[in-house]
Amino acid sequence: KTQVEQSPQSLVVRQGENCVLQCNYSVTPDNHLRWFKQDTGKGLVSLTVLVDQKDKTSNGRYSATLDKDAKHSTLHITATLLDDTATYICVVGDRGSALGRLHFGAGTQLIVIP
Amino acid sequence: EAAVTQSPRNKVTVTGGNVTLSCRQTNSHNYMYWYRQDTGHGLRLIHYSYGAGNLQIGDVPDGYKATRTTQEDFFLLLELASPSQTSLYFCASSSGTGVNNQAPLFGEGTRLSVL
Repeated sequence: KTQVEQSPQSLVVRQGENCVLQCNYSVTPDNHLRWFKQDTGKGLVSLTVLVDQKDKTSNGRYSATLDKDAKHSTLHITATLLDDTATYICVVGDRGSALGRLHFGAGTQLIVIP
Repeated sequence: EAAVTQSPRNKVTVTGGNVTLSCRQTNSHNYMYWYRQDTGHGLRLIHYSYGAGNLQIGDVPDGYKATRTTQEDFFLLLELASPSQTSLYFCASSSGTGVNNQAPLFGEGTRLSVL
């Protein structure tokens, strides 16, 4: 059973445009949520982590929100660049301890075109 | 610089073949993980370890063995490879799984094809 659902599955935007990626989950408990970027043929790199019941983070052109009541997160990318082309993966941690498990979404494939 | 290094990066074997995937981390992390990534699925945990000599079963362990020989080295073994094990395999390391720890660090993956 898929506990982390991401939408859209894929997205094409023009360089300079903004975009929003969605993550809905059913993981319980939901200790934290992390967004990763995965370039083609590469490993995952953490972009940001959200912890609080209603949380917001910002990391350069990336910003994210989390609403634990709705079990929903968004990742906003502002003024996209060609190098933003990648798969973005939402991951929910079910505990804030060494006993916790990470639950991975299947990712949103973002393609930025000139 | 913190790193997770996987080898080989690509591997082709035949059904019934014997395959070992290697992972080394230089991060002094206690935890190491093996995941597989398949189209349409999120990463799925195969095995993990919280120290040399320790092994924990993940969510999709069937057909896989693992061994943690040192704090740095974690191996994934496929003793009788099957086509269903064709996948992209990732190794990761972390100081824990909680948010107060640093984010897990991932290797660049090993693409395995079982013919």
